[in-house]
Amino acid sequence: AQSVAQPEDQVNVAEGNPLTVKCTYSVSGNPYLFWYVQYPNRGLQFLLKYITGDNLVKGSYGFEAEFNKSQTSFHLKKPSALVSDSALYFCAVRDDTDKLIFGTGTRLQVFP
Amino acid sequence: EAGVAQSPRYKIIEKRQSVAFWCNPISGHATLYWYQQILGQGPKLLIQFQNNGVVDDSQLPKDRFSAERLKGVDSTLKIQPAKLEDSAVYLCASSSMGGGLLREQFFGPGTRLTVL
Repeated sequence: AQSVAQPEDQVNVAEGNPLTVKCTYSVSGNPYLFWYVQYPNRGLQFLLKYITGDNLVKGSYGFEAEFNKSQTSFHLKKPSALVSDSALYFCAVRDDTDKLIFGTGTRLQVFP
Repeated sequence: EAGVAQSPRYKIIEKRQSVAFWCNPISGHATLYWYQQILGQGPKLLIQFQNNGVVDDSQLPKDRFSAERLKGVDSTLKIQPAKLEDSAVYLCASSSMGGGLLREQFFGPGTRLTVL
């Protein structure tokens, strides 16, 4: 069965510093991986996806993610964090029936 | 383009009562999804429609939950009777049929249900 794990409940980073939000996956077959962000009282917003091709995927709002097959990881990164990036981030994998299976989420807190 | 619309945004009911949520997907999107997001957890798919047919309802508690998408456009999710553990945010999402693996799901703002 497909699954993703987000090992950190919360990540704290100072504004201007680089940030990383971790995600590891377990799939049978090719991984189709996604990152979504959720702001308070709002729905999930798509950030980026990995289907195939380059291991570094660029997405919205300056975010990028690095796919690492040997480590079965898909970590979300940003070179310079903003206070406005503070939100809940979800990693997800899509299975063969098009269903998204989400991780438990990581709360990112960026301090000024 | 307009996004996925959901109503109501908030609902408070007592256990054993009934409740219904409504979703209007993005125009032209054939696939519609209902997710349940319990506090502290990631969203979990309850049911997936392709037009007005059910593709996957394996995680829908069918003894109390029902959903329909009669005309292949908007959809209603119902809980009858509600239990305390149904307190969650119910998210609706839609996606187009085109694009193959590249298609993405667009989410509505959700309905926050509190069962007392």
